[in-house]
Amino acid sequence: NAGVTQTPKFQVLKTGQSMTLQCAQDMNHNSMYWYRQDPGMGLRLIYYSASEGTTDKGEVPNGYNVSRLNKREFSLRLESAAPSQTSVYFCASSPRQGGETQYFGPGTRLLVL
Amino acid sequence: DQQVKQNSPSLSVQEGRISILNCDYTNSMFDYFLWYKKYPAEGPTFLISISSIKDKNEDGRFTVFLNKSAKHLSLHIVPSQPGDSAVYFCAASDNYGQNFVFGPGTRLSVLP
Repeated sequence: NAGVTQTPKFQVLKTGQSMTLQCAQDMNHNSMYWYRQDPGMGLRLIYYSASEGTTDKGEVPNGYNVSRLNKREFSLRLESAAPSQTSVYFCASSPRQGGETQYFGPGTRLLVL
Repeated sequence: DQQVKQNSPSLSVQEGRISILNCDYTNSMFDYFLWYKKYPAEGPTFLISISSIKDKNEDGRFTVFLNKSAKHLSLHIVPSQPGDSAVYFCAASDNYGQNFVFGPGTRLSVLP
């Protein structure tokens, strides 16, 4: 039982490049989330998926797209990376949306030059 | 405007003493609160939660207190251990709403 896994662990991009961050959970959770963490800012929600087949914007969605591929997998795509997207990205899942403990992956550290 | 505030970016405590981490919120609709602990290079892990129908919840060395009228909650760790050194995030949700709002975190250092 791996919980929430994320790939890659670390990535360096040049401005304008694209990439997809992958996330998978094996806890049969309905809801999945993508956050970014910046110094002094805590975790800010980028996008979430309340259930398979649905996605919604969070607090800071600009510059990102997501895909809920199936119940297990939720990917985050940067179409044209910018230095402002340098951050640590965390994926999380929960049994359902709202008022439920979320379980986090180990994070992806992204550096955009 | 931050809805969840942790006004102390860092805190240092001697091993064996009490650690008190504070969190304030502005949204009166929040009714479920969690504390997460985060070690470097790892994701946050759930520590303890409290619902607004309670004013205290204990789990071993960890106790969370909620003062709804003051919109304030605190996490007490007794006794503090060096392994407690981490960043602690407070998070709040309205249970029928959508998602959690996280505070900026407090870095706790427990000195041996």
